[in-house]
Amino acid sequence: DSGVTQTPKHLITATGQRVTLRCSPRSGDLSVYWYQQSLDQGLQFLIQYYNGEERAKGNILERFSAQQFPDLHSELNLSPLELGDSALYFCASSVDPGGSNEQFFGPGTRLTVL
Amino acid sequence: GENVEQHPSTLSVQEGDSAVIKCTYSDSASNYFPWYKQELGKGPQLIIDIRSNVGEKKDQRIAVTLNKTAKHFSLHITETQPEDSAVYFCAATVGAGSYQLTFGKGTKLSVIP
Repeated sequence: DSGVTQTPKHLITATGQRVTLRCSPRSGDLSVYWYQQSLDQGLQFLIQYYNGEERAKGNILERFSAQQFPDLHSELNLSPLELGDSALYFCASSVDPGGSNEQFFGPGTRLTVL
Repeated sequence: GENVEQHPSTLSVQEGDSAVIKCTYSDSASNYFPWYKQELGKGPQLIIDIRSNVGEKKDQRIAVTLNKTAKHFSLHITETQPEDSAVYFCAATVGAGSYQLTFGKGTKLSVIP
């Protein structure tokens, strides 16, 4: 168990809908990273937050948005959903970009868009 | 941006044999190289990492080597066991302000009892 929690574990929804994925980092970790894992694209970085502020952006679509709250949990919002958004979504946390680089991954949320 | 190539995509070994997975990266500024193990239905688990100021690191049956000149790094697993069967990912990061990881495509390791 990495100490990173993600909810829900599974989501099945339809195109055009909106979903929110939640991540709680390990105790003491200030950074949260979101990654998408799909069969064709592999594991891809989406976005990073550090202590409530956006730190880096990767291949995140404009339809997606994220935020990190004062208690350091983070949410990834996807809307409107498309079939191609079906994937595993992971968050990872680390202590601090300026300190330890180690990222610890949560168990993921499996999103299925029908 | 960074690009990480990983080989082989699948690897089968007999229990007790060694397994080697190789990765190359493109950005010479990359300075941190973790390896993750992912079992079915689980998130990636960090198993070992190496920084650019080190050539080799070992942790029990697992070792990683880094050749900065050639821009490649490798994972070595000795005395493989059935529980080593999983998908292994290499990754790299430049680490300038953000340690976002660029991953290889993964290697599915099967250890045959």
